[in-house]
Amino acid sequence: DVKVTQSSRYLVKRTGEKVFLECVQDMDHENMFWYRQDPGLGLRLIYFSYDVKMKEKGDIPEGYSVSREKKERFSLILESASTNQTSMYLCASSYQGGNGYTFGSGTRLTVV
Amino acid sequence: QKEVEQNSGPLSVPEGAIASLNCTYSDRVSQSFFWYRQYSGKSPELIMSIYSNGDKEDGRFTAQLNKASQYVSLLIRDSQPSDSATYLCAVKVRDTGKLIFGQGTTLQVKP
Repeated sequence: DVKVTQSSRYLVKRTGEKVFLECVQDMDHENMFWYRQDPGLGLRLIYFSYDVKMKEKGDIPEGYSVSREKKERFSLILESASTNQTSMYLCASSYQGGNGYTFGSGTRLTVV
Repeated sequence: QKEVEQNSGPLSVPEGAIASLNCTYSDRVSQSFFWYRQYSGKSPELIMSIYSNGDKEDGRFTAQLNKASQYVSLLIRDSQPSDSATYLCAVKVRDTGKLIFGQGTTLQVKP
């Protein structure tokens, strides 16, 4: 089975900190995605990547950046964490044809 | 108009009944459709995909697609309490790998 691993299940950070969320997939998927999920707002796409060193903005990229130096790893960076970035963050990956994602287990981030 | 719309529910059905979950989408050229199940506190899990008009069955699950009417549905036969979850409808954006998700429908199966 495809496995998408997110480095932390729960994370608590202080306002203003730089936060790194890591995601690794083991099935040679070309596409990788970062979403956040909030009650009443559903899944919202932050950034995605179709290839190494390639990135594209999703619907809500403000306050975030990403890095994809290797095909299997896609990192989400919160440059200066704010309380409104408290959320569940979900990483996903898929083949180039994009027929359905596999999600990681999620990181619940709390910014205090 | 939202791109992918679902009734948020909750949809409550008795154990053993058929649960019917519906989804409409706005982009006429969409070709690929997915249903994800998400248990509380967990990440979404892909349970069905459908690409052609008609029905696709997998065990107790049946996905139905009607491109002319721009809707896709998920039927769960012989519903079990373990089916209680939020079901997310997703539509692939043409010529990309991106999925657009609906808000999800919460299903409650009562023993």
